[in-house]
Amino acid sequence: DTAVSQTPKYLVTQMGNDKSIKCEQNLGHDTMYWYKQDSKKFLKIMFSYNNKELIINETVPNRFSPKSPDKAHLNLHINSLELGDSAVYFCASSQGASGGAREQFFGPGTRLTVL
Amino acid sequence: QKEVEQDPGPLSVPEGAIVSLNCTYSNSAFQYFMWYRQYSRKGPELLMYTYSSGNKEDGRFTAQVDKSSKYISLFIRDSQPSDSATYLCAMNVGYGNKLVFGAGTILRVKS
Repeated sequence: DTAVSQTPKYLVTQMGNDKSIKCEQNLGHDTMYWYKQDSKKFLKIMFSYNNKELIINETVPNRFSPKSPDKAHLNLHINSLELGDSAVYFCASSQGASGGAREQFFGPGTRLTVL
Repeated sequence: QKEVEQDPGPLSVPEGAIVSLNCTYSNSAFQYFMWYRQYSRKGPELLMYTYSSGNKEDGRFTAQVDKSSKYISLFIRDSQPSDSATYLCAMNVGYGNKLVFGAGTILRVKS
């Protein structure tokens, strides 16, 4: 199946732990994104990479560090998890940098719960 | 004030009704306007996009943009239970710029 995939789908962890979420797309796109969707369904961009280069970096705590080993992968590492980090994290991809009429294809999401 | 405002609903309608979903925005530089649909426990998927002002129709869906009022709408004709989802408006200034989403409106179509 051609798609954007994320692992894990669910992540439950304790405050203070470090965790990673992985994302892969096989659509041949050159741009990938991380979004955070809070409990009120508000979807907000965190990062965007184009050809492995960081091009969008919103006001996100330094505890969040994206890494793009190649165009098809964008991982998100979170240090010292806090209660407020509980949310659904979506990975997305597009052909070409963000903006305009370019469609973004979203993964199924990773539901992170911090206890 | 958020850049994009959207009533979260939920909006409940009977099957066959015409549905109107709306967003207002504050940034007059927005030029590209999109509607994404998100089913429960899934990622959003693009429904329609419109550039600048005007209407666009695709099957049962019509998107309208009124830049003078900073107001966009999505109309769904002959709504079906399968249309039950959260509808997110999204917009951006242009290429190379981030997509800004509304909070999403939950739509429930009852058979």
